[in-house]
Amino acid sequence: TQLLEQSPQFLSIQEGENLTVYCNSSSVFSSLQWYRQEPGEGPVLLVTVVTGGEVKKLKRLTFQFGDARKDSSLHITAAQPGDTGLYLCAGVRFYNQGGKLIFGQGTELSVKP
Amino acid sequence: DTEVTQTPKHLVMGMTNKKSLKCEQHMGHRAMYWYKQKAKKPPELMFVYSYEKLSINESVPSRFSPECPNSSLLNLHLHALQPEDSALYLCASSPTGSGRVAFFGQGTRLTVV
Repeated sequence: TQLLEQSPQFLSIQEGENLTVYCNSSSVFSSLQWYRQEPGEGPVLLVTVVTGGEVKKLKRLTFQFGDARKDSSLHITAAQPGDTGLYLCAGVRFYNQGGKLIFGQGTELSVKP
Repeated sequence: DTEVTQTPKHLVMGMTNKKSLKCEQHMGHRAMYWYKQKAKKPPELMFVYSYEKLSINESVPSRFSPECPNSSLLNLHLHALQPEDSALYLCASSPTGSGRVAFFGQGTRLTVV
């Protein structure tokens, strides 16, 4: 069972279109992070959301954390070819040994010129 | 210096070889992580070091042996690997052992032949 369900898994759109990626769970997370990864590179942290209902903007990217801290969304306005990549959401869960980052399956985004 | 540096970037090794992956950060972060990532999949946590002590081992086979010589360095020693161990190995760090990763390295692309 996947703890974090990310959708869609694949998205191919034209330049200028808007899109939303969803990250859902039945579990509460203390915080949630979004990463972007290009082929052959490590993931790059885009944002961390901590408070339920929080909205953060990063240029054309808008991130939202659900009120109950179980879900999050990433909205991209007027997508550009440079936005192409693998988008990963990840939530922090605490265990006896410490905190772990639990990843969603990822969304592979392709923006065509 | 806000980065995690991994060497080598690419590694090809035979199933009887012994090799090591290296990771370095100079941000004063006290937690460091090893992740394994297969193509088109999210990273999977392998090990966590918190304040130079191994705090999490995700039931990783003993042919992978982590080592944290000091707070800036993290190694992953490899011995008798299998072809299915071929993957991108990512090192990451965070200020504390909260699990909330701040920075990933660019990864080592490992191929076992």
